[in-house]
Amino acid sequence: GAVVSQHPSRVICKSGTSVKIECRSLDFQATTMFWYRQFPKQSLMLMATSNEGSKATYEQGVEKDKFLINHASLTLSTLTVTSAHPEDSSFYICSARGVQGASGYTFGSGTRLTVV
Amino acid sequence: QKEVEQDPGPLSVPEGAIVSLNCTYSNSAFQYFMWYRQYSRKGPELLMYTYSSGNKEDGRFTAQVDKSSKYISLFIRDSQPSDSATYLCAMSEGRDDKIIFGKGTRLHILP
Repeated sequence: GAVVSQHPSRVICKSGTSVKIECRSLDFQATTMFWYRQFPKQSLMLMATSNEGSKATYEQGVEKDKFLINHASLTLSTLTVTSAHPEDSSFYICSARGVQGASGYTFGSGTRLTVV
Repeated sequence: QKEVEQDPGPLSVPEGAIVSLNCTYSNSAFQYFMWYRQYSRKGPELLMYTYSSGNKEDGRFTAQVDKSSKYISLFIRDSQPSDSATYLCAMSEGRDDKIIFGKGTRLHILP
């Protein structure tokens, strides 16, 4: 089946630094990738949608200059949290969609970001 | 009213029992309905996917959609301790549209 690899699984960084999270589709071409944020006991909140080769579309309230998304190829998207602050600490999850539409969303295993 | 409502639980049931998980929604345009299972500190994995109203069965899992009531359910038969996880309902208007998730229900199957 479709596999999405997300790295790192856990990262601790100092306040003010930047962190990059990678999301790769291993055995399929992902026309669209999505980035979510999940707080404890909360639902997944969509942050942005990215299509290969074009600028990401950010959801209302998400700072595009803070959460930089790059979708350089059909198998790789990256999320960079710039100048991270403790309030950015969260669980970040990517998902990738191939050609199957809604049934074809595959999620990565998530990245636990802790900003100290 | 939120687009998708889901009781967060936790829901604890003994092993072997039938589990019923539910979501309600307000957007009548939703046509695609999904259930995801999420283990702690992991990404969600797709369990069931249905289009429009009706039932769908896959092994011990049955998904039901009642569009007239804007109500969807997931039933788990012969529940196992390994079913302990958070279950998220999700839905979208179109096949390629944004997916809206419920908050998830934490389920504990007691051995």
